[in-house]
Amino acid sequence: GEDVEQSLFLSVREGDSSVINCTYTDSSSTYLYWYKQEPGAGLQLLTYIFSNMDMKQDQRLTVLLNKKDKHLSLRIADTQTGDSAIYFCAESILSGGYNKLIFGAGTRLAVHP
Amino acid sequence: DTEVTQTPKHLVMGMTNKKSLKCEQHMGHRAMYWYKQKAKKPPELMFVYSYEKLSINESVPSRFSPECPNSSLLNLHLHALQPEDSALYLCASSLAGSTDTQYFGPGTRLTVL
Repeated sequence: GEDVEQSLFLSVREGDSSVINCTYTDSSSTYLYWYKQEPGAGLQLLTYIFSNMDMKQDQRLTVLLNKKDKHLSLRIADTQTGDSAIYFCAESILSGGYNKLIFGAGTRLAVHP
Repeated sequence: DTEVTQTPKHLVMGMTNKKSLKCEQHMGHRAMYWYKQKAKKPPELMFVYSYEKLSINESVPSRFSPECPNSSLLNLHLHALQPEDSALYLCASSLAGSTDTQYFGPGTRLTVL
């Protein structure tokens, strides 16, 4: 079945690193995504990783993919108050001839001084 | 430019009203999507248009009627909605097929009285 799971809440101190974890079930996923959503706003694409990669780094963001365990993580270095938001993990899977996005429930990141 | 725009930002309507949501992108994307997002939940796919043709309807009630007049525009016509239809409606677009990364607009916050 199609299922993406994330922990619901993470609290970190400003300047520390944040690690948001995600597990997925469909081994045929092509791409895996991280989106950020601030209150009342749409989804902002943060980064994505192709399923045959195991790591991708983009400035403060590092994505790690363990395909064997179907585990994806997003590390945010030097977390700032502006990083406070909900972070959605999503997998892209083939369904009825179409690749659809399956989202996790979202992890709320709270950054405190 | 990876911008998807949506209007209006907020909409309040009664159950007997007819209204429309609009979405626009000028990135040359040929796939466009409507999602519904309830509070504290991930987005749920409603419709997919590919090359201005409806490709996917995720069993959405007929009181929601999508329209794609051209490759840059996507509308969602609303009629006889229920209070439980109140949500954030998100539009997204991707380059060509559904395998490509989806970029989201800021959403329309809809309240049905």
